[in-house]
Amino acid sequence: KAGVTQTPRYLIKTRGQQVTLSCSPISGHRSVSWYQQTPGQGLQFLFEYFSETQRNKGNFPGRFSGRQFSNSRSEMNVSTLELGDSALYLCASSLVPGLAAAGELFFGEGSRLTVL
Amino acid sequence: ELKVEQNPLFLSMQEGKNYTIYCNYSTTSDRLYWYRQDPGKSLESLFVLLSNGAVKQEGRLMASLDTKARLSTLHITAAVHDLSATYFCAVVLDTYGKLTFGTGTRLTIIP
Repeated sequence: KAGVTQTPRYLIKTRGQQVTLSCSPISGHRSVSWYQQTPGQGLQFLFEYFSETQRNKGNFPGRFSGRQFSNSRSEMNVSTLELGDSALYLCASSLVPGLAAAGELFFGEGSRLTVL
Repeated sequence: ELKVEQNPLFLSMQEGKNYTIYCNYSTTSDRLYWYRQDPGKSLESLFVLLSNGAVKQEGRLMASLDTKARLSTLHITAAVHDLSATYFCAVVLDTYGKLTFGTGTRLTIIP
């Protein structure tokens, strides 16, 4: 059974550019959430989607956005990149919406973004 | 605001020894997760603790949850080198996929 797939795995951008990251959840999983991991701030929740609807959002500026498609695949976009956006972006999927009924979150390998 | 604290942040221990990682959280929650992360890798789910008094064991790792004390522990028995990794606890406040992670404990097992 394939796990959570994230693309691209590594990317380098310059300040002011925008980036789109993709996440394909485990087959049958309909909930996708995104996390940012940095050495300074640790792991922080970005947002969660279920049935193409954003159900929860973390404390990030509006430059961070996302969406989910009808096949449960999700993308997140960061516009007007800043140096501080350099991070590992992790996508996670779960079978049930948002960890209800004690569902587990399964994480992808992440997309490592470097902003120069 | 929910805060999750782990200690210690760094832990070096010899193979064969026992040790415990502590996870304290600030707001009532009855669900706690433990994850492992190897350098440059993703998060691997270790345990899901769902109720007060829950105890789960897998190999040399055992996790427990005391919701009244808002405390979870991850106990390592007879450590081996393969357990070297960073361990995170995470707490759920709501049902919408938001995990609040602890700071992580970087564990190094020394032969």
